[in-house]
Amino acid sequence: GESVGLHLPTLSVQEGDNSIINCAYSNSASDYFIWYKQESGKGPQFIIDIRSNMDKRQGQRVTVLLNKTVKHLSLQIAATQPGDSAVYFCAELPRGGYNKLIFGAGTRLAVHP
Amino acid sequence: DSGVTQTPKHLITATGQRVTLRCSPRSGDLSVYWYQQSLDQGLQFLIQYYNGEERAKGNILERFSAQQFPDLHSELNLSSLELGDSALYFCASSVVAGTGNTIYFGEGSWLTVV
Repeated sequence: GESVGLHLPTLSVQEGDNSIINCAYSNSASDYFIWYKQESGKGPQFIIDIRSNMDKRQGQRVTVLLNKTVKHLSLQIAATQPGDSAVYFCAELPRGGYNKLIFGAGTRLAVHP
Repeated sequence: DSGVTQTPKHLITATGQRVTLRCSPRSGDLSVYWYQQSLDQGLQFLIQYYNGEERAKGNILERFSAQQFPDLHSELNLSSLELGDSALYFCASSVVAGTGNTIYFGEGSWLTVV
């Protein structure tokens, strides 16, 4: 399938290494954040979410960190695998936003064997 | 598979034409969202419906309209198409509208206007 966002920043990692993808969000009133993974030709796939009353949440091989002071979100992927290669988007939901998610520009993760 | 179904997957049409994109939400989801993804604009929220009623509007052009039917499926109508409307159009759904309700995306409809 076709790809969108061909001019995205790219993070290149070796298979087995840990990856950290960063995101700066815009609205200090946002109280819910989500990370999505988008593979070529597919729709965004939910990875993990975090509410603003937390600063860390862990899933399977993934951890999201939230720093509200500097409006920064990060996604950590442990033991990165080739199947993790994709574009990763952070999304924020302003308080009272009725799920009107605001997406970041995305980061392309390239995993090399 | 997210459970959100979109048709058609690919569509090529000429400028000035009108197309309809269709979305079936996940079973049990009442809220449907439409997003546009283009190279220069990224993922942009267009419009949201909840149980048949419009709930929120984003960067949706006047030439575009949408609706959600009683069976909860939704259609996005794009008219007087221009070259710049070429993009991936995603439908997403969630159980209800509100913070913390996971939003699941379909595979998208790729529209090419020539």
